[in-house]
Amino acid sequence: GDSVTQTEGLVTLTKGLPVMLNCTYQTTYSPFLFWYVQHLNEAPKLLLKSSTDNKRTEHQGFYATLHKSSSSFHLQKSSVQLSDSALYFCALRPWLSGSFNKLTFGAGTRLAVCP
Amino acid sequence: GGIITQTPKFLIGQEGQKLTLKCQQNFNHDTMYWYRQDSGKGLRLIYYSITENDLQKGDLSEGYDASREKKSSFSLTVTSAQKNEMAVFLCASSITTASQNTLYFGAGTRLSVL
Repeated sequence: GDSVTQTEGLVTLTKGLPVMLNCTYQTTYSPFLFWYVQHLNEAPKLLLKSSTDNKRTEHQGFYATLHKSSSSFHLQKSSVQLSDSALYFCALRPWLSGSFNKLTFGAGTRLAVCP
Repeated sequence: GGIITQTPKFLIGQEGQKLTLKCQQNFNHDTMYWYRQDSGKGLRLIYYSITENDLQKGDLSEGYDASREKKSSFSLTVTSAQKNEMAVFLCASSITTASQNTLYFGAGTRLSVL
């Protein structure tokens, strides 16, 4: 079946440093990848999504590139801010025409940014 | 824009009790979902519904019932609360179940069972 792996449970960084949160996936179908962000006591919200191989997608200073050759969709930011402290989920949805396309989530990576 | 409202925000129950969580959306979305969030385990799908009065089981449906009384509302029932259970239940909606559709989430109901 489909799966998503986020290797880091917790990433702690000082403000202003770059960050990369890892996401790899497994599916036998064409993938659609998402990053959701959940701030403390808030609803998860979509941050990025992509199904295009080797094309960088950006939003709110974060960016990610889907690499089908390595089954990866790592989330990056060049300079983290205190407000980026949150839980980040990578999610996979296979492209299957005409059927329920289940969204599979990774376990999540908590990003803690220190002053 | 729209909003998903989950009630209650906090739910404390007793072992063996039947507990009901409610969700309302004003996006006019067809599809609604219930996910369970446990620390370190990501989000796992309990039930989903692609239209009014439709119900489909997810990976974690055992121990739960759901009801889609109308397009805007989707409720989840824990049929028998387990002692010391703690989890966050997230309701979500999307236009359809197509691959590119974004899920919109509510802020969650936090369950604690004594």
